[in-house]
Amino acid sequence: TQLLEQSPQFLSIQEGENLTVYCNSSSVFSSLQWYRQEPGEGPVLLVTVVTGGEVKKLKRLTFQFGDARKDSSLHITAAQPGDTGLYLCAGAAGYALNFGKGTSLLVTP
Amino acid sequence: DAGITQSPRYKITETGRQVTLMCHQTWSHSYMFWYRQDLGHGLRLIYYSAAADITDKGEVPDGYVVSRSKTENFPLTLESATRSQTSVYFCASSVRNTGELFFGEGSRLTVL
Repeated sequence: TQLLEQSPQFLSIQEGENLTVYCNSSSVFSSLQWYRQEPGEGPVLLVTVVTGGEVKKLKRLTFQFGDARKDSSLHITAAQPGDTGLYLCAGAAGYALNFGKGTSLLVTP
Repeated sequence: DAGITQSPRYKITETGRQVTLMCHQTWSHSYMFWYRQDLGHGLRLIYYSAAADITDKGEVPDGYVVSRSKTENFPLTLESATRSQTSVYFCASSVRNTGELFFGEGSRLTVL
């Protein structure tokens, strides 16, 4: 199993702050996906990154895929309470996706 | 409504009982998956299916059985439930094995 390590595990910040969460592995992935999960619901895809060094932006969220395709980061600018949730990265590993354990983000007003 | 639905949403059962969690999707996606989500372990793949009548084991298949007689349905059965199977179970579908996953809302199972 190709492991994906996410950090930090928990993050509590105030509205307006910036933050970065990380997804690291010793394995190379052909692609990497980021999902957000809200309490009581299933994860929902935010973005897929495919090319090493790729940067994708989704409003205030910026996703980057490492040059070697072993790691990825998610940066949120001016966080809002609506950003609260569990952020999961998932790497394509053979027959299915492998998920990291997630970063639980709480944004307070 | 289009989408992926799981039932039941909540289930309490006793050790040794058989439990079946249902999953139905309306997109005609080829691939379907069952994951369990536990604190400290994240999402772990139990079983997946590439098409009707084609299923295969994931990372944690022991104690579970699946079937897929129709493309749209992918039930998960715990033949003799154990306390360690207390978890939240998510069904998902996709057009390919490592493509975007569309998840159901989850089934929270408690085994007493």
